[in-house]
Amino acid sequence: DAGITQSPRHKVTETGTPVTLRCHQTENHRYMYWYRQDPGHGLRLIHYSYGVKDTDKGEVSDGYSVSRSKTEDFLLTLESATSSQTSVYFCAITDRAYTGELFFGEGSRLTVL
Amino acid sequence: GDSVTQMEGPVTLSEEAFLTINCTYTATGYPSLFWYVQYPGEGLQLLLKATKADDKGSNKGFEATYRKETTSFHLEKGSVQVSDSAVYFCALSVGGSQGNLIFGKGTKLSVKP
Repeated sequence: DAGITQSPRHKVTETGTPVTLRCHQTENHRYMYWYRQDPGHGLRLIHYSYGVKDTDKGEVSDGYSVSRSKTEDFLLTLESATSSQTSVYFCAITDRAYTGELFFGEGSRLTVL
Repeated sequence: GDSVTQMEGPVTLSEEAFLTINCTYTATGYPSLFWYVQYPGEGLQLLLKATKADDKGSNKGFEATYRKETTSFHLEKGSVQVSDSAVYFCALSVGGSQGNLIFGKGTKLSVKP
């Protein structure tokens, strides 16, 4: 199994508060992704990274920012959480992006009250 | 834009029944196609893939054939087991270096003994 750790695994917060989710990998993979999973929507890409300090937006990036200062860590930040950001967030990694074969973490469940 | 459409669930089958989960896609270019599976409480994992027309992907008794003429990639298994209970996602990648996947909404399968 790919070494991917997401933290926290569960978080409950209030509207307007900042939240940071962390994805940590031990595989030295170049590419990292943040997806959100919502009923009736499947998985949707928020942001991705193709190297240290190299990131780009995905389909649903509004309200989210990311940072990658080290190969192993990819942080997802909600500057001011809203109830619409209640979701399960998955990090994924790969070292062969052209294959489409991603390895997923176990997810972080975020509830915004 | 590119998209994936899966049959809606949930699907409930008895053990040893035949399984089909339909998946069709819309894409410009020549996508690679994937089935990912999510077991309860876990992240997604790659089940099988096909990279060009008429390719058949297979794994763990599951099969899917890339049909360009019908833009389909239906998942099949001849005899399901209780342990196959999970959510199944069809996905496509239109290539390029970033590895971004477009997912269907997922189909939940429950297999009863």
